[in-house]
Amino acid sequence: AQKVTQAQTEISVVEKEDVTLDCVYETRDTTYYLFWYKQPPSGELVFLIRRNSFDEQNEISGRYSWNFQKSTSSFNFTITASQVVDSAVYFCALRDSNYQLIWGAGTKLIIKP
Amino acid sequence: EAGVAQSPRYKIIEKRQSVAFWCNPISGHATLYWYQQILGQGPKLLIQFQNNGVVDDSQLPKDRFSAERLKGVDSTLKIQPAKLEDSAVYLCASSYGGRMNTEAFFGQGTRLTVV
Repeated sequence: AQKVTQAQTEISVVEKEDVTLDCVYETRDTTYYLFWYKQPPSGELVFLIRRNSFDEQNEISGRYSWNFQKSTSSFNFTITASQVVDSAVYFCALRDSNYQLIWGAGTKLIIKP
Repeated sequence: EAGVAQSPRYKIIEKRQSVAFWCNPISGHATLYWYQQILGQGPKLLIQFQNNGVVDDSQLPKDRFSAERLKGVDSTLKIQPAKLEDSAVYLCASSYGGRMNTEAFFGQGTRLTVV
């Protein structure tokens, strides 16, 4: 069965600190996709990144970076030099051959000024 | 490009009343999703449409929830009668297709409170 675990319920850091959000997934498929979404207080889920199971290259986009490791079934998200505007709930999700998006419970990130 | 539009943004009703939500997806997106998000949880898929056909409604409580997507564009989700546990945010999303690698784009949601 598919499953996505975000063990960190809430993280609080001071602005400019680096922070890593963990995501561990389970699937029996060899082909699957992983996603990260951001949900700010306004409520809209904002797509951040998609990664397929055959591409283990890390990705960097500005202050955001993602580390995908199939060996540990993890797809972690790091924000470098965090800013108050990064405060939000972040969701990791998995889609495999069942085509449904399986969501983690989310990690609430609080960036203090 | 206009995003996914939803209305209303907020709704408060009494239990046993009925309520309807409306969604207009991104132009050209064939796939439309309705999710229920209870506070502190991830979204739960209620129903997925491909054009005007239902692809997945396995988690839709069909005794009280219904959804339609006439003409393959706009969609409405109805709850009748509402229960207290239906209090949640109802999110509509759309994607270009229903393939595995397709990301979904979300509206701002409708926050429903049942009292």
